[in-house]
Amino acid sequence: SYELTQPPSVSVSPGQTASITCSGDTLGDKYASWFQQKPGQSPVLVIYQDSKRPSGISERFSGSNSGNTATLTISGTLAMDEADYYCQAWVSSTYVFGTGTKVTVL
Amino acid sequence: QVQLQESGPGLVKPSETLSLTCTVSGASVTSSSYYWSWIRQPPGKGLAWIGHIYYTGGSNYNPSLKSRVTISVDKSKNQFSLKLSSVTAADTAVYYCARDNRNGAARRFDYWGQGTLVTVSS
Repeated sequence: SYELTQPPSVSVSPGQTASITCSGDTLGDKYASWFQQKPGQSPVLVIYQDSKRPSGISERFSGSNSGNTATLTISGTLAMDEADYYCQAWVSSTYVFGTGTKVTVL
Repeated sequence: QVQLQESGPGLVKPSETLSLTCTVSGASVTSSSYYWSWIRQPPGKGLAWIGHIYYTGGSNYNPSLKSRVTISVDKSKNQFSLKLSSVTAADTAVYYCARDNRNGAARRFDYWGQGTLVTVSS
């Protein structure tokens, strides 16, 4: 079955840039989405179609997807960006989620 | 404003069937633009897609759960439902319903319910 692999954790200082990778076979040939989930809350869509931001999502969030890797970038990271982040793709008529990355703002 | 709300028992006995309903407001389950999905998250773990349904009744399921899952839609109530049979402790999770938006080039889960914890225990 298809797998999407993310680093378990990423640490970033306030105001710096955080990059979260999502790896999967020929992922660049598919569209990737990214979700932010804070403790006790439902996931929130922050990026879809590789790089599009839904209405209301900060411009600090950006995305790219090429080859076998999709990347979520958080620029000028704020304390409020501390959360779990999941990538996701539509593969062979099923949805697959990444393993998840905990972003810590130190 | 689109809202989704899960409802159903919070405790299910092993080997029994888990049944949940998602009530949708602010959007119609009969819209051609959307599928309607169920997603779950075991405590402390990641997200897993269970399956989705279209208003015509067409559906897709996670292959790992396909033999135990049925998702249906009730157009008259603007709801969709999940049934998961022969549950075990491994099915203990927060269950989310979500709107699966197929407008544009890429599908995405743009609205989610608040989630409901279902515990499988005798």
